[in-house]
Amino acid sequence: QKEVEQDPGPLSVPEGAIVSLNCTYSNSAFQYFMWYRQYSRKGPELLMYTYSSGNKEDGRFTAQVDKSSKYISLFIRDSQPSDSATYLCAMRPNQAGTALIFGKGTTLSVSS
Amino acid sequence: NAGVTQTPKFQVLKTGQSMTLQCAQDMNHNSMYWYRQDPGMGLRLIYYSASEGTTDKGEVPNGYNVSRLNKREFSLRLESAAPSQTSVYFCASSEASLLYFGPGTRLTVT
Repeated sequence: QKEVEQDPGPLSVPEGAIVSLNCTYSNSAFQYFMWYRQYSRKGPELLMYTYSSGNKEDGRFTAQVDKSSKYISLFIRDSQPSDSATYLCAMRPNQAGTALIFGKGTTLSVSS
Repeated sequence: NAGVTQTPKFQVLKTGQSMTLQCAQDMNHNSMYWYRQDPGMGLRLIYYSASEGTTDKGEVPNGYNVSRLNKREFSLRLESAAPSQTSVYFCASSEASLLYFGPGTRLTVT
């Protein structure tokens, strides 16, 4: 079992839909959880960041961490064509010197 | 504030040629990383440098060498390029756990 699993999609939704993107993981030591957005032919950019469990909201984006289920989610409300991108989850333990482990990314397409 | 910059943006090499990918950051971050991204494989860590003067292997270090020239710069060298090294290479820097990526170098080895 890979440490981080993420459905690659593609996921296609109409404009205005609520999008749910998810990752599962196997290492219970993971404490830092991030979501990156990557537009075509660009570098990944940090979108959301949470530490340990709980929710975090930033505008139309909400990140959730459920450590008991080893499951993290990114919700996008009122999705826009500009949200069309690949979304990568990433995580690591609370231990100095350890590198982030990335999911393979989910490709999202929002049609107008 | 340019963030993380990478040169070149594109490169085509013949098998056996060597080249160095350059990376610089102006955010005064201690840690720097080199990743490669391939279709279906996601981002894979090649090498990282937790601080100036230190480097460590990541998941896929074979065929690569790195140099942490100073706090700002971290270069990746391919001594003898192989077609399997055709990929998009991303440099990143971080403070705490947050990584900031450069725009990438698209490398093709024929």
